[in-house]
Amino acid sequence: AQKVTQAQTEISVVEKEDVTLDCVYETRDTTYYLFWYKQPPSGELVFLIRRNSFDEQNEISGRYSWNFQKSTSSFNFTITASQVVDSAVYFCALSEPNFGNEKLTFGTGTRLTIIP
Amino acid sequence: GAGVSQSPSNKVTEKGKDVELRCDPISGHTALYWYRQSLGQGLEFLIYFQGNSAPDKSGLPSDRFSAERTGGSVSTLTIQRTQQEDSAVYLCASSLPNSYEQYFGPGTRLTVT
Repeated sequence: AQKVTQAQTEISVVEKEDVTLDCVYETRDTTYYLFWYKQPPSGELVFLIRRNSFDEQNEISGRYSWNFQKSTSSFNFTITASQVVDSAVYFCALSEPNFGNEKLTFGTGTRLTIIP
Repeated sequence: GAGVSQSPSNKVTEKGKDVELRCDPISGHTALYWYRQSLGQGLEFLIYFQGNSAPDKSGLPSDRFSAERTGGSVSTLTIQRTQQEDSAVYLCASSLPNSYEQYFGPGTRLTVT
């Protein structure tokens, strides 16, 4: 069975600080995909990134970076120089695609508050 | 362009009543997913539709829940004899064939009193 754990329920940091959101996953499959989604106060989930299980290269996109470590089953997300607009709930998710069915197993989310 | 739309945005119903929630996916998106976001349970998968294939209903929590997708486009999630534990935000997502990127709608907030 798949499981995604986001141990941090809520995090608050002062603007411009760096913050890392943790994600640990469990799966029996060798092929899987990991995702991060952002849910701002408006409520709509916004796709941020997807990584496949064979690609452990870290990725950077502007102020966002992701650290995928298969050895520890972790896929952590770091925001550098945080901004108030980064305040949202962030979800880590896992999928095991099956003939196009990419149903997601989500973690419980981390509520990030950036204090101006 | 138009994103995924869901209606109604909010629904308050009495325990025991049936409700229907609607999802309009992005045009051309053949894959459609329903998820439920509730306190204590987080976000959980409910059902998946892809073209004319049989849907994956493995996430439906009980036989009171059902969903249809007419003409490969609009989908309706029906909850019969609603219970208070059905109170949640119901999210719909769609994607292109064999695409991993799901586009989510704004959700329907269901409150069962």
